[in-house]
Amino acid sequence: GAGVSQTPSNKVTEKGKYVELRCDPISGHTALYWYRQSLGQGPEFLIYFQGTGAADDSGLPNDRFFAVRPEGSVSTLKIQRTERGDSAVYLCASSLGTRSPLHFGNGTRLTVT
Amino acid sequence: SQQGEEDPQALSIQEGENATMNCSYKTSINNLQWYRQNSGRGLVHLILIRSNEREKHSGRLRVTLDTSKKSSSLLITASRAADTASYFCATEGIQGAQKLVFGQGTRLTINP
Repeated sequence: GAGVSQTPSNKVTEKGKYVELRCDPISGHTALYWYRQSLGQGPEFLIYFQGTGAADDSGLPNDRFFAVRPEGSVSTLKIQRTERGDSAVYLCASSLGTRSPLHFGNGTRLTVT
Repeated sequence: SQQGEEDPQALSIQEGENATMNCSYKTSINNLQWYRQNSGRGLVHLILIRSNEREKHSGRLRVTLDTSKKSSSLLITASRAADTASYFCATEGIQGAQKLVFGQGTRLTINP
């Protein structure tokens, strides 16, 4: 596909469960970002990958959150022991590299009941 | 945490009028970017202005940057109903930090 693809588009889970959110970046984009957006707010930075490694994970709220990008392309955001406060839209973006605009996917809406 | 503050939080104008949105930020930047977000969708990049630039144009968009005041403005001329969306500014820091830090956004409504 031409754009950033995120799956699933919607995820409803029970408190305490484990979830995985997937991001397929634009082919050739080396940089990949995860953001979280709550209703009425701007996106909040979570983690940034350059290639396979996490270049900056300072935005991950706690150790329940973890992200991987093993082959430098697809990335998975993993949330353990979900809490109701984790409910938000999780946005993924990719770019050609530093100082380049970000291309966003449509996000995964996570609802923790 | 969010670096930028956008003003106003919401703006409603008539089609054909110009819309101006402002963004203030706190730390030194490498560049500032503006994005648009339609309801339920991802963000779309509009324009990037570097810290050594003062003004930039793209179609009906005009962006200014004043690094001494740590502020930027986005002007949309001759607005259309399709411009209805939320607009966010985002800053990229200078200390090797590649992450973009977004503001809270301005919700723009264009009335036909």
